[in-house]
Amino acid sequence: DIQMTQSPSSLSASVGDRVTITCRASQGISNYLAWYQQKPGKVPKLLIYAASTLQSGVPSRFSGSGSGTDFTLTISSLQPEDVATYYCQKYNSAPITFGQGTRLEIK
Amino acid sequence: EVQLVESGGGLVQPGGSLRLSCAASGFTFSDHYMDWVRQAPGKGLEWVGRTRNKANSYTTEYAASVKGRFTISRDDSKNSLYLQMNSLKTEDTAVYYCARGPYDSSGYYPYWGQGTLVTVSS
Repeated sequence: DIQMTQSPSSLSASVGDRVTITCRASQGISNYLAWYQQKPGKVPKLLIYAASTLQSGVPSRFSGSGSGTDFTLTISSLQPEDVATYYCQKYNSAPITFGQGTRLEIK
Repeated sequence: EVQLVESGGGLVQPGGSLRLSCAASGFTFSDHYMDWVRQAPGKGLEWVGRTRNKANSYTTEYAASVKGRFTISRDDSKNSLYLQMNSLKTEDTAVYYCARGPYDSSGYYPYWGQGTLVTVSS
């Protein structure tokens, strides 16, 4: 099975900072990669699919890039409401696999 | 509006069984693959399994951690998805979500239910 590894596991940044989270697949998955945001006690929210396509309604400060095995989620200017845990997910075929998550906090 | 509402969670002893339901509305349920995803307390997201649609013979797939113990089924006439969980272990304690893709067969999830908590404990 394909494993998804996120880095870092946790991250602290200041409001206005540019933040980058990395996700690496153990095998190539083309662009079958999604990113989710989950706030405490809430349901995961889809941010990006197909590695770089922004889901409708998601602020444009979020962006995704990558293909094959290496992917990134970037927040161009961190806002207080972005405090959450972020997950990548590969979905090219079953079994679906999520990364272990990156907890993002405000410094 | 797409709505997914899970039910059936609760406290069960190790070795026991439980059946979760997911009631769907706001879309043509029979057209869509449906998945279950779980999240143990304080942990990450884990895919549990999938049922495909009638056009794909309602075939199912499971995570290795639940294969042989869990069974996913659906009743298109009732717009409902089910997860039968047998031989439950303490490590199955989690919030269980049903989830749907944006079109019939996609594997990413714009749509989630609110989740139902399953606690396996003696």
